[in-house]
Amino acid sequence: AQSVTQPDIHITVSEGASLELRCNYSYGATPYLFWYVQSPGQGLQLLLKYFSGDTLVQGIKGFEAEFKRSQSSFNLRKPSVHWSDAAEYFCAVDNLRDNYGQNFVFGPGTRLSVLP
Amino acid sequence: ETGVTQSPTHLIKTRGQQVTLRCSSQSGHNTVSWYQQALGQGPQFIFQYYREEENGRGNFPPRFSGLQFPNYSSELNVNALELDDSALYLCASSAKTGVNSPLHFGNGTRLTVT
Repeated sequence: AQSVTQPDIHITVSEGASLELRCNYSYGATPYLFWYVQSPGQGLQLLLKYFSGDTLVQGIKGFEAEFKRSQSSFNLRKPSVHWSDAAEYFCAVDNLRDNYGQNFVFGPGTRLSVLP
Repeated sequence: ETGVTQSPTHLIKTRGQQVTLRCSSQSGHNTVSWYQQALGQGPQFIFQYYREEENGRGNFPPRFSGLQFPNYSSELNVNALELDDSALYLCASSAKTGVNSPLHFGNGTRLTVT
């Protein structure tokens, strides 16, 4: 079965520091990968997505992610973190079934804290 | 462009009761999915509706059921509530123009079962 792991439950960085959140997936074919962010009490907001092509994808709020097939990874990065980036981050893979229907499998999430 | 809206925002029910949660999809989206997010966990897929029919289901018992209406809005119904049903229930819509359409989420309904 498809699965997504996020090895880091909680990460704390200082404002202005760089950030990398790890994501590994288990999927038989070329995956469709996503990163979402969730602020407390809110729904999930799409940060970026990877379908094919360039393995480095740009997203909103200055985030980027790199797809590495050899490592089954899709790590999220940001060069300089802002206090407003403190939130829960979820990596997800679209568990496609016969090109029909969607079933997103989410990782357990990484909580990001930002120190002033 | 109107986003995904869910109602109510919070709900408290007693074990054994039934509950209905509602969702209006984003403008132009014809597919609706429901997810359950327990505290401290990632969302888990419940089911998806497309053209008013269930189009995929996760590992949830039959007491979880749903509907999609002609205007693409949707309901999630849960019968015989159990304590473990306490969670944030997220609705997401997508445009069924391709299999790689991102999900757009609402802010969720927080259900507490006592």
